[in-house]
Amino acid sequence: DGGITQSPKYLFRKEGQNVTLSCEQNLNHDAMYWYRQDPGQGLRLIYYSQIVNDFQKGDIAEGYSVSREKKESFPLTVTSAQKNPTAFYLCASSASGLGDEQYFGPGTRLTVT
Amino acid sequence: GQSLEQPSEVTAVEGAIVQINCTYQTSGFYGLSWYQQHDGGAPTFLSYNGLDGLEETGRFSSFLSRSDSYGYLLLQELQMKDSASYFCAGKNAGNMLTFGGGTRLMVKP
Repeated sequence: DGGITQSPKYLFRKEGQNVTLSCEQNLNHDAMYWYRQDPGQGLRLIYYSQIVNDFQKGDIAEGYSVSREKKESFPLTVTSAQKNPTAFYLCASSASGLGDEQYFGPGTRLTVT
Repeated sequence: GQSLEQPSEVTAVEGAIVQINCTYQTSGFYGLSWYQQHDGGAPTFLSYNGLDGLEETGRFSSFLSRSDSYGYLLLQELQMKDSASYFCAGKNAGNMLTFGGGTRLMVKP
């Protein structure tokens, strides 16, 4: 079955630690995205990538980093510089970066204490 | 940049029709998408309006008026399973989406 997987579903970390969230897709999509969602709010774009080895900052990139070494994979690292990292993180992909329909993974709920 | 406004909450009864409005202020607006998200779940795509007018997909319809910077999602024959959050999202020239804050729809028996 084609789709997007994110792991783990729940992640707990101590303050000051970097943590990497996984996102893999087998839809053969060129574009991939990372969003952050806080309780009761909309999604905010962290980073996006239209093609392998290229990515751009979204609206809230500070404290985050990404890589796109393979078409299928777009991992997100939440660094210790991110002031408020506890949130629900969603990865998405779309065909050819058209953005008409983005397919979302199940999300990772990160809690930092 | 873009900003999109939608009501925070709407309540309706099973079998009824409900309309969720979305107004936007934007530069470089290309179109309006709608997504549904159940609690704890991932957003799923419902519709996209690249042109003015009405798009219909089963019980759901979406409308866009560029001259009014306004769109809406219309849900007919409401079912309990339609209880969820609904997000409008504006697409820009770079094919990026900017999401509204979401409307929580509660369907009552």
